[in-house]
Amino acid sequence: QVQLAESGGGVVQPGRSLRLSCAASGFSFSTNVMHWVRQAPGKGLEWVAGTSYDGSNEYYADSVKGRFTISRDNSKNTLYLQMNSLSAEDTAVYYCAKGDYSNYGMDAWGQGTTVTVSS
Amino acid sequence: SYELTQPPSVSVFPGQTARITCSGDALPKQYAYWYYQKPGQAPVLVIYKDSARPSGIPERFSGSTSGTTVTLTISGVQAEDEADYYCQATDSSGTYRWVFGGGTKLTVL
Repeated sequence: QVQLAESGGGVVQPGRSLRLSCAASGFSFSTNVMHWVRQAPGKGLEWVAGTSYDGSNEYYADSVKGRFTISRDNSKNTLYLQMNSLSAEDTAVYYCAKGDYSNYGMDAWGQGTTVTVSS
Repeated sequence: SYELTQPPSVSVFPGQTARITCSGDALPKQYAYWYYQKPGQAPVLVIYKDSARPSGIPERFSGSTSGTTVTLTISGVQAEDEADYYCQATDSSGTYRWVFGGGTKLTVL
């Protein structure tokens, strides 16, 4: 079955960088849109970034544009999120999500990795 | 900007019908998706393309659309349905953005 396993979260100081990874299995990773979605403590879901099946197109929320970069390695079935210039507002659980066949929804989610930005 | 508006909370007794709405000006032009999320767990897709139900989702979950409002209906609510529910749609007016509503807490009384 579909499995998505995020890693790379942790505690980081403001202004520093962090890279998240999402290992995918159980489906044809190279043919699916993939996303990062985050959830700040006690808050709702916020879409962060998405990438087309081949990585040629990247899409970002205004809140992270210019600071975060989404990428993928289809040979390794892995999705990445490079996060730079982190601030306290980026503190959240970060989920990796698989795009559905329509490319407009998300039909599978990982369990998330926690990023805490604090001095 | 593209926004989806949900009521913060809905409460029903077991066995009743719960209706959770999601409003947005662009909804007539875009499919809506619904997810539930229980505390400490990842979201789960329950409705896609306005009204389709993924395999494994109980028949008591259904979706509908009318104008700028989409509705998630849970018939015969069970205690296990207590969760946060989120609607989601895609803004394709410029570059693509995926947008979530603010979420609705369903409480089973």
